[in-house]
Amino acid sequence: EVVLTQSPGTLSLSPGERATLSCRASQRVSSSYLAWYQQKPGQAPRLLIYGASSRATGIPDRFSGSGSGTDFTLTISRLEPEDFAVYYCQQYDSSYSFGQGTKVEIK
Amino acid sequence: EVQLVQSGAEVKKPGESLKISCKGSGYSFTSYWIGWVRQMPGKGLEWMGIIQPGDSDTRYSPSFQGQVTISADKSISTAYLQWSSLEASDTAMYYCARQRGGPSFDVWGQGTKVTVSS
Repeated sequence: EVVLTQSPGTLSLSPGERATLSCRASQRVSSSYLAWYQQKPGQAPRLLIYGASSRATGIPDRFSGSGSGTDFTLTISRLEPEDFAVYYCQQYDSSYSFGQGTKVEIK
Repeated sequence: EVQLVQSGAEVKKPGESLKISCKGSGYSFTSYWIGWVRQMPGKGLEWMGIIQPGDSDTRYSPSFQGQVTISADKSISTAYLQWSSLEASDTAMYYCARQRGGPSFDVWGQGTKVTVSS
């Protein structure tokens, strides 16, 4: 089973700043099978990135994904007030798993 | 509009059975797998299992195999998650989600809150 470890656990930033979130896999993951989600309090998760770097429909271009192998990154170029949320990475390799999440909070 | 609409919140006692639902609309229900995800209070997302509604091919996470049953009725575009005997530890929010090619989950239900308490 592939274990995803996200870091940091919490990221404290101000609007307008750049956010860099990390997702490390316990073994190699196909880039095609790595996704990122955003979840706000009281809401269902929302797909942001699939295939490691492709934005889902309607996702602003300030969100970008990169990485390969065991190391993946979600970058938010300039934080907007609505971007403060919890972010999860997810992989598929014969089974699905999610990382434990990174909370992006207002500093 | 493509959407998944889940059944309402449930409050149950330990040992009771439960079946919650997830109805798809706005797309061909049998063309996409439907997954179930658990979120315990204040915790992260856990993948439980997935079903192809067209032929009911089902896969379970090892953590949930034998603990729940996933099924679907393609005639009414609905997937189900059921328990035969609930425990307090089943208290959580449960989401269904459509798996796009990828595989990632591009459409999510609004969630069903399940509370198990004596």
